Amino acid sequence: NAGVTQTPKFQVLKTGQSMTLQCAQDMNHEYMSWYRQDPGMGLRLIHYSVGAGITDQGEVPNGYNVSRSTTEDFPLRLLSAAPSQTSVYFCASSSKRTLQKGETQYFGPGTRLLVL
Amino acid sequence: KQEVTQIPAALSVPEGENLVLNCSFTDSAIYNLQWFRQDPGKGLTSLLLIQSSQREQTSGRLNASLDKSSGRSTLYIAASQPGDSATYLCAVLGSQGNLIFGKGTKLSVKP
Repeated sequence: NAGVTQTPKFQVLKTGQSMTLQCAQDMNHEYMSWYRQDPGMGLRLIHYSVGAGITDQGEVPNGYNVSRSTTEDFPLRLLSAAPSQTSVYFCASSSKRTLQKGETQYFGPGTRLLVL
Repeated sequence: KQEVTQIPAALSVPEGENLVLNCSFTDSAIYNLQWFRQDPGKGLTSLLLIQSSQREQTSGRLNASLDKSSGRSTLYIAASQPGDSATYLCAVLGSQGNLIFGKGTKLSVKP
Protein backbone atom coordinates (compact mmCIF):
# COMPACT_ATOMS: atom_id res chain seq x y z
CA ASN A 1 0.00 0.00 0.00
CA ALA A 2 1.21 3.52 -0.80
CA GLY A 3 -0.88 4.89 2.08
CA VAL A 4 -1.95 8.52 1.70
CA THR A 5 -0.30 10.45 -1.11
CA GLN A 6 -0.42 14.18 -1.74
CA THR A 7 0.65 16.21 -4.75
CA PRO A 8 2.28 18.58 -5.25
CA LYS A 9 4.81 18.74 -2.40
CA PHE A 10 5.32 22.46 -2.88
CA GLN A 11 3.49 25.12 -4.88
CA VAL A 12 3.78 28.87 -5.39
CA LEU A 13 0.68 30.74 -6.55
CA LYS A 14 -0.15 34.32 -7.31
CA THR A 15 -3.14 35.97 -5.64
CA GLY A 16 -6.31 35.13 -7.53
CA GLN A 17 -5.03 31.95 -9.15
CA SER A 18 -6.86 28.70 -8.63
CA MET A 19 -5.41 25.27 -8.08
CA THR A 20 -6.24 21.79 -6.85
CA LEU A 21 -4.33 19.92 -4.16
CA GLN A 22 -4.56 16.21 -4.79
CA CYS A 23 -5.00 13.54 -2.14
CA ALA A 24 -5.36 9.83 -2.72
CA GLN A 25 -5.41 6.74 -0.53
CA ASP A 26 -5.34 3.07 -1.47
CA MET A 27 -6.60 1.60 1.81
CA ASN A 28 -10.32 1.73 0.99
CA HIS A 29 -10.88 4.18 3.86
CA GLU A 30 -14.26 5.86 3.95
CA TYR A 31 -13.16 8.84 6.08
CA MET A 32 -10.94 11.51 4.53
CA SER A 33 -10.05 14.97 5.82
CA TRP A 34 -8.11 18.08 4.90
CA TYR A 35 -6.22 20.13 7.48
CA ARG A 36 -4.13 23.25 7.29
CA GLN A 37 -1.31 24.06 9.65
CA ASP A 38 -0.12 27.55 10.41
CA PRO A 39 2.59 28.55 12.92
CA GLY A 40 1.30 28.42 16.49
CA MET A 41 -2.15 27.23 15.40
CA GLY A 42 -1.93 23.44 15.44
CA LEU A 43 -3.84 21.76 12.62
CA ARG A 44 -7.28 23.04 11.70
CA LEU A 45 -9.89 21.03 9.86
CA ILE A 46 -10.94 22.48 6.50
CA HIS A 47 -13.32 19.89 5.03
CA TYR A 48 -13.99 16.24 5.60
CA SER A 49 -15.82 13.35 4.01
CA VAL A 50 -17.38 10.23 5.54
CA GLY A 51 -17.79 8.48 2.19
CA ALA A 52 -18.01 8.90 -1.55
CA GLY A 53 -20.49 11.63 -2.43
CA ILE A 54 -20.60 13.03 1.12
CA THR A 55 -18.62 16.07 2.27
CA ASP A 56 -18.96 18.55 5.09
CA GLN A 57 -17.29 21.69 6.37
CA GLY A 58 -14.76 21.80 9.14
CA GLU A 59 -13.50 24.71 11.18
CA VAL A 60 -12.01 26.84 8.34
CA PRO A 61 -13.83 26.03 5.06
CA ASN A 62 -13.98 29.47 3.46
CA GLY A 63 -12.09 29.77 0.18
CA TYR A 64 -11.89 25.99 -0.31
CA ASN A 65 -14.01 23.53 -2.20
CA VAL A 66 -14.01 19.72 -2.08
CA SER A 67 -15.72 16.83 -3.77
CA ARG A 68 -15.56 13.07 -3.24
CA SER A 69 -16.54 11.25 -6.40
CA THR A 70 -14.54 8.11 -5.54
CA THR A 71 -13.48 6.42 -2.30
CA GLU A 72 -9.81 6.88 -3.21
CA ASP A 73 -9.59 10.59 -4.05
CA PHE A 74 -10.39 13.74 -2.11
CA PRO A 75 -9.10 16.84 -3.95
CA LEU A 76 -9.04 20.27 -2.31
CA ARG A 77 -9.67 23.24 -4.60
CA LEU A 78 -8.59 26.78 -3.95
CA LEU A 79 -10.99 28.89 -5.97
CA SER A 80 -9.12 32.21 -5.85
CA ALA A 81 -5.91 31.99 -3.84
CA ALA A 82 -5.20 34.60 -1.19
CA PRO A 83 -2.01 35.23 0.84
CA SER A 84 -3.95 34.10 3.95
CA GLN A 85 -4.06 30.62 2.41
CA THR A 86 -0.28 30.31 2.62
CA SER A 87 0.05 27.24 4.80
CA VAL A 88 0.98 23.58 4.95
CA TYR A 89 -1.89 21.31 3.96
CA PHE A 90 -2.28 17.77 5.23
CA CYS A 91 -4.68 15.14 3.99
CA ALA A 92 -5.66 12.21 6.22
CA SER A 93 -7.76 9.08 5.98
CA SER A 94 -9.21 6.44 8.28
CA SER A 95 -12.06 3.98 8.45
CA LYS A 96 -14.63 3.08 11.07
CA ARG A 97 -13.05 -0.39 11.15
CA THR A 98 -9.53 0.93 11.80
CA LEU A 99 -10.75 3.44 14.38
CA GLN A 100 -12.54 0.69 16.27
CA LYS A 101 -9.32 -1.33 16.20
CA GLY A 102 -7.57 1.56 17.90
CA GLU A 103 -5.66 2.82 14.89
CA THR A 104 -4.99 6.46 14.16
CA GLN A 105 -5.70 8.51 11.09
CA TYR A 106 -3.15 8.05 8.34
CA PHE A 107 -1.58 11.33 7.25
CA GLY A 108 -0.08 12.32 3.94
CA PRO A 109 3.32 14.05 3.81
CA GLY A 110 1.81 17.51 3.29
CA THR A 111 1.73 20.18 0.61
CA ARG A 112 3.50 23.46 1.30
CA LEU A 113 1.65 26.33 -0.40
CA LEU A 114 2.91 29.88 -0.79
CA VAL A 115 0.53 32.52 -2.15
CA LEU A 116 2.18 35.75 -3.23
CA LYS B 1 -18.15 22.44 19.27
CA GLN B 2 -15.08 20.52 20.43
CA GLU B 3 -12.14 22.62 21.55
CA VAL B 4 -8.73 21.32 22.54
CA THR B 5 -6.33 23.34 24.66
CA GLN B 6 -2.69 22.58 25.41
CA ILE B 7 -0.69 24.04 28.25
CA PRO B 8 2.02 25.24 28.29
CA ALA B 9 2.54 26.64 24.78
CA ALA B 10 6.30 26.30 25.21
CA LEU B 11 8.55 24.56 27.70
CA SER B 12 12.31 24.53 28.15
CA VAL B 13 13.94 22.00 30.48
CA PRO B 14 17.44 20.69 31.17
CA GLU B 15 18.30 17.22 29.98
CA GLY B 16 17.29 14.43 32.34
CA GLU B 17 14.21 16.10 33.78
CA ASN B 18 10.84 14.40 33.90
CA LEU B 19 8.09 16.56 32.45
CA VAL B 20 4.34 16.69 31.91
CA LEU B 21 2.43 18.19 29.00
CA ASN B 22 -1.25 18.95 29.49
CA CYS B 23 -4.21 18.72 27.17
CA SER B 24 -7.88 19.50 27.85
CA PHE B 25 -10.97 19.09 25.69
CA THR B 26 -14.52 20.39 26.03
CA ASP B 27 -16.66 17.51 24.73
CA SER B 28 -16.17 14.10 26.32
CA ALA B 29 -17.85 12.27 23.40
CA ILE B 30 -14.60 11.22 21.76
CA TYR B 31 -13.49 8.09 19.93
CA ASN B 32 -9.92 8.37 21.15
CA LEU B 33 -7.21 10.83 22.08
CA GLN B 34 -3.83 10.91 20.42
CA TRP B 35 -0.48 12.53 21.05
CA PHE B 36 1.68 13.43 18.07
CA ARG B 37 5.18 14.72 17.68
CA GLN B 38 6.17 17.15 14.95
CA ASP B 39 9.70 18.19 14.11
CA PRO B 40 10.26 21.53 12.31
CA GLY B 41 9.22 21.34 8.66
CA LYS B 42 8.13 17.72 8.99
CA GLY B 43 4.89 15.80 9.13
CA LEU B 44 3.19 14.24 12.13
CA THR B 45 4.47 11.22 14.01
CA SER B 46 1.91 9.41 16.13
CA LEU B 47 3.26 8.73 19.64
CA LEU B 48 0.40 7.30 21.65
CA LEU B 49 -3.27 6.64 21.10
CA ILE B 50 -5.70 6.12 24.00
CA GLN B 51 -9.10 4.66 23.22
CA SER B 52 -12.03 6.32 25.00
CA SER B 53 -12.44 3.22 27.18
CA GLN B 54 -8.79 3.25 28.30
CA ARG B 55 -7.09 5.22 31.04
CA GLU B 56 -3.48 5.24 29.85
CA GLN B 57 -0.95 4.06 27.31
CA THR B 58 2.81 3.66 27.61
CA SER B 59 5.58 3.52 25.05
CA GLY B 60 9.16 3.54 26.28
CA ARG B 61 9.75 6.77 28.21
CA LEU B 62 6.32 8.13 27.30
CA ASN B 63 3.14 7.67 29.27
CA ALA B 64 -0.19 9.23 28.34
CA SER B 65 -3.25 9.28 30.55
CA LEU B 66 -6.87 10.05 29.77
CA ASP B 67 -9.62 11.21 32.11
CA LYS B 68 -12.62 11.53 29.83
CA SER B 69 -15.00 12.69 32.55
CA SER B 70 -12.88 15.73 33.33
CA GLY B 71 -11.79 16.27 29.72
CA ARG B 72 -8.08 15.98 30.44
CA SER B 73 -5.04 14.13 29.20
CA THR B 74 -1.40 14.32 30.18
CA LEU B 75 1.74 13.22 28.39
CA TYR B 76 4.55 12.29 30.75
CA ILE B 77 8.09 12.16 29.38
CA ALA B 78 10.65 10.53 31.64
CA ALA B 79 14.35 11.38 31.65
CA SER B 80 14.09 13.90 28.83
CA GLN B 81 16.77 14.03 26.13
CA PRO B 82 17.76 16.72 23.59
CA GLY B 83 16.31 14.46 20.88
CA ASP B 84 12.89 14.92 22.49
CA SER B 85 12.89 18.57 21.39
CA ALA B 86 9.90 19.02 19.11
CA THR B 87 6.33 20.27 19.12
CA TYR B 88 3.86 17.90 20.77
CA LEU B 89 0.28 17.95 19.57
CA CYS B 90 -2.77 16.55 21.32
CA ALA B 91 -5.83 15.65 19.24
CA VAL B 92 -9.21 14.10 19.91
CA LEU B 93 -11.03 11.98 17.35
CA GLY B 94 -14.75 12.53 16.88
CA SER B 95 -17.37 10.17 15.53
CA GLN B 96 -16.95 11.41 11.95
CA GLY B 97 -13.37 10.27 11.73
CA ASN B 98 -11.57 13.57 11.93
CA LEU B 99 -9.22 14.98 14.53
CA ILE B 100 -9.52 18.22 16.47
CA PHE B 101 -6.04 19.43 17.41
CA GLY B 102 -4.67 21.62 20.13
CA LYS B 103 -2.16 24.29 19.18
CA GLY B 104 0.73 22.27 20.56
CA THR B 105 3.48 22.54 23.16
CA LYS B 106 6.93 23.40 21.85
CA LEU B 107 9.45 21.49 23.94
CA SER B 108 13.13 22.33 24.12
CA VAL B 109 15.46 20.04 26.07
CA LYS B 110 18.82 21.64 26.76
CA PRO B 111 21.98 19.47 26.96
